[in-house]
Amino acid sequence: GAVVSQHPSRVICKSGTSVKIECRSLDFQATTMFWYRQFPKQSLMLMATSNEGSKATYEQGVEKDKFLINHASLTLSTLTVTSAHPEDSSFYICSASGLTRTEAFFGQGTRLTVV
Amino acid sequence: DAKTTQPNSMESNEEEPVHLPCNHSTISGTDYIHWYRQLPSQGPEYVIHGLTSNVNNRMASLAIAEDRKSSTLILHRATLRDAAVYYCIFNGVRGSNYKLTFGKGTLLTVNP
Repeated sequence: GAVVSQHPSRVICKSGTSVKIECRSLDFQATTMFWYRQFPKQSLMLMATSNEGSKATYEQGVEKDKFLINHASLTLSTLTVTSAHPEDSSFYICSASGLTRTEAFFGQGTRLTVV
Repeated sequence: DAKTTQPNSMESNEEEPVHLPCNHSTISGTDYIHWYRQLPSQGPEYVIHGLTSNVNNRMASLAIAEDRKSSTLILHRATLRDAAVYYCIFNGVRGSNYKLTFGKGTLLTVNP
């Protein structure tokens, strides 16, 4: 199956700083990438949809100025958590799909801890 | 939202078959049925998907009811590595905008 690589897998940052998470599709062109957040013992919650070359579409309740998404190429999308606070600590997961794919492929996730 | 109903948890013994049910009574005629699973501290992994006919792959089989309002994921011989949360999702494939809405899924426990 296709490979989606997410980096870093774990990050600890201080409150008030920003953290960037990368999501790369390694062997196909990802026209659309999705960002999810998952709190302990809960399901994945979609945060935003990013299409290459255009602005991301955010789900209701997700602050676009806090969670900056850039999808500058067909193989890379980034999520930047700005001015992180402890309540932003979570498991962040990206997925990618392309025009020739009927399934989505997920990254391995990033565990963010804000101290 | 695309709503599915799954049991919160199921238990199986190693080497035995497992049937994971899912109800999706609001599915439309063009929606695909997808199954993903998530191991602890990992991103979800694609398992199988189908539209109307039953589907088989190396991981599992998908049995789809004739009215498409329910489906069953079949693991033919459960292993300890199959212990995971299994998500049943239905959604249309609309060009490149492939959006998945996750429910709570079924936590599968496999006993040795």
